[in-house]
Amino acid sequence: GESVGLHLPTLSVQEGDNSIINCAYSNSASDYFIWYKQESGKGPQFIIDIRSNMDKRQGQRVTVLLNKTVKHLSLQIAATQPGDSAVYFCAEKRQGAQKLVFGQGTRLTINP
Amino acid sequence: DTGVSQNPRHKITKRGQNVTFRCDPISEHNRLYWYRQTLGQGPEFLTYFQNEAQLEKSRLLSDRFSAERPKGSFSTLEIQRTEQGDSAMYLCASSPREGAKTQYFGPGTRLLVL
Repeated sequence: GESVGLHLPTLSVQEGDNSIINCAYSNSASDYFIWYKQESGKGPQFIIDIRSNMDKRQGQRVTVLLNKTVKHLSLQIAATQPGDSAVYFCAEKRQGAQKLVFGQGTRLTINP
Repeated sequence: DTGVSQNPRHKITKRGQNVTFRCDPISEHNRLYWYRQTLGQGPEFLTYFQNEAQLEKSRLLSDRFSAERPKGSFSTLEIQRTEQGDSAMYLCASSPREGAKTQYFGPGTRLLVL
């Protein structure tokens, strides 16, 4: 069935390096995408979002790229810090729907 | 703190008991959502309110589950006759208005059914 998923369940990077977390989606009717960060025992924290009429959006140390041709979404985190260690989820919102559909998540570990 | 709040943060109960969770959304957010998250998975949608009206329910929301938002502010989620499979994190989220798509999540209530 249709789903939002992630290519890799775990990712380890050295502190200070850049990290890229990927996400694939299958519903071309989705018009909005969000990246969330979830630390252990906490709720998902909004990081950045992007509408389907955009292909790139930048925030503080984060960039989201959207490739609608191949239905791919990525989150780039620059100069990773220990506090970036968490599970990262992409979520999609389908046009006309209210709910978010989440992928499985990628655990990002920052090595000192 | 002006974020979404949830109570209790943790709940341990015995199978067959009823439990009730509360969510207080961000002030003036008229949309409220409940999700369930099991270990290692992303949150799954349960139900959605616009003001006091419950407009959508997932098939995950069995007849043992009921959610209310009587005054269009806080919401409660009740699970009757709990089962071990109900053990999960129950997350609440809110969003401000029509056209605002970002949902802001609370810390969740972790339920353990023994």
